[in-house]
Amino acid sequence: AQKITQTQPGMFVQEKEAVTLDCTYDTSDQSYGLFWYKQPSSGEMIFLIYQGSYDEQNATEGRYSLNFQKARKSANLVISASQLGDSAMYFCAMREGPTYTGANSKLTFGKGITLSVRP
Amino acid sequence: NAGVTQTPKFRILKIGQSMTLQCTQDMNHNYMYWYRQDPGMGLKLIYYSVGAGITDKGEVPNGYNVSRSTTEDFPLRLELAAPSQTSVYFCASKEAASYEQYFGPGTRLTVT
Repeated sequence: AQKITQTQPGMFVQEKEAVTLDCTYDTSDQSYGLFWYKQPSSGEMIFLIYQGSYDEQNATEGRYSLNFQKARKSANLVISASQLGDSAMYFCAMREGPTYTGANSKLTFGKGITLSVRP
Repeated sequence: NAGVTQTPKFRILKIGQSMTLQCTQDMNHNYMYWYRQDPGMGLKLIYYSVGAGITDKGEVPNGYNVSRSTTEDFPLRLELAAPSQTSVYFCASKEAASYEQYFGPGTRLTVT
């Protein structure tokens, strides 16, 4: 089974509206972490948000929040008040294991979702 | 503070040629990584290093070699380039006690 699944085709959202990008994951570890990265057309990878499996609260960073549903193994990214600059590819990724070190630091990425923000 | 730098930005190789992709970070990070991103896909880990002198394979190591003689540098060597190695290569680094990986701008490699 794929460890990270992002199955939405290209997503479209109207400027200033909220959008949810889906991510489901598969792991047998009790301790793991989930990341979202943004890749604009210029190609760089920009870290957005992180959620640890034992974090009690959903992570938030400015307009980004992570809707973490552990039982469903989903970690959806919510972008509020979309802006034109949010148009990009978005990747969900996971690290597995109890620490950030050694082999536990390796990231597995999903295939990404393209988001287009309409003016 | 330049962060993670990669050279070259672009390169075209002929089948069978070899080259080294350079990666340098100035953040004194112990951990460094090499990923490849094929068109329309996510990143896949090639090799990683947890410190100078220590390297380990990732998900797709075949056709590549790495070395880590200093904390700052983590070069990726392609021997006998093949069209299947056409990809964008990203280098990343992180502190041991942190979860966040910092990415370089990438190297776009075409093998024809």
